[in-house]
Amino acid sequence: GQNIDQPTEMTATEGAIVQINCTYQTSGFNGLFWYQQHAGEAPTFLSYNVLDGLEEKGRFSSFLSRSKGYSYLLLKELQMKDSASYLCALYNFNKFYFGSGTKLNVKP
Amino acid sequence: ETGVTQSPTHLIKTRGQQVTLRCSSQSGHNTVSWYQQALGQGPQFIFQYYREEENGRGNFPPRFSGLQFPNYSSELNVNALELDDSALYLCASSFETGRNTEAFFGQGTRLTVV
Repeated sequence: GQNIDQPTEMTATEGAIVQINCTYQTSGFNGLFWYQQHAGEAPTFLSYNVLDGLEEKGRFSSFLSRSKGYSYLLLKELQMKDSASYLCALYNFNKFYFGSGTKLNVKP
Repeated sequence: ETGVTQSPTHLIKTRGQQVTLRCSSQSGHNTVSWYQQALGQGPQFIFQYYREEENGRGNFPPRFSGLQFPNYSSELNVNALELDDSALYLCASSFETGRNTEAFFGQGTRLTVV
């Protein structure tokens, strides 16, 4: 298995920056993806990393270190609409292996 | 809008019954994957279809089966439903190129087994 771990829940304040961590144990994968999922809706793509380092997409950035088995998603200038679950997923041969997700609560 | 459509959106079935869920993939995509997402959990990979053949399977019993049609749409069939089958079922379509490609999820089918 991939043994993907994420914190269950986090709370942050509107306008702040929050980092959601993801650790994993696996022998290999093509890429690491981050998805956002609002309650009752399908996951929507945020970012992905193939190589080590930081990928930036507007307010969202994702980082990967394969040697450390570690990734994080960074959300800047938090907005109330960012309240959602954030899923870390390993991607191998067109198949996703998801963590349980981190529920982010953004407060005014 | 991802272009991936699932039907029905909600379904209630009785334990022991059979159910068929449907997924229309995005235009140009030849690969469909199915996932089961229990409440509070991440999606779990059920199986994948590529060009009408099963292309990998997760840890699900044989009563979970599927089909992919020549137009690349897909069905997920579950026999002998159990209460634990209650979940959100997601399909994701992608275009197989052997490298990383973005997969697009449908809105899901919420199955409740009573």
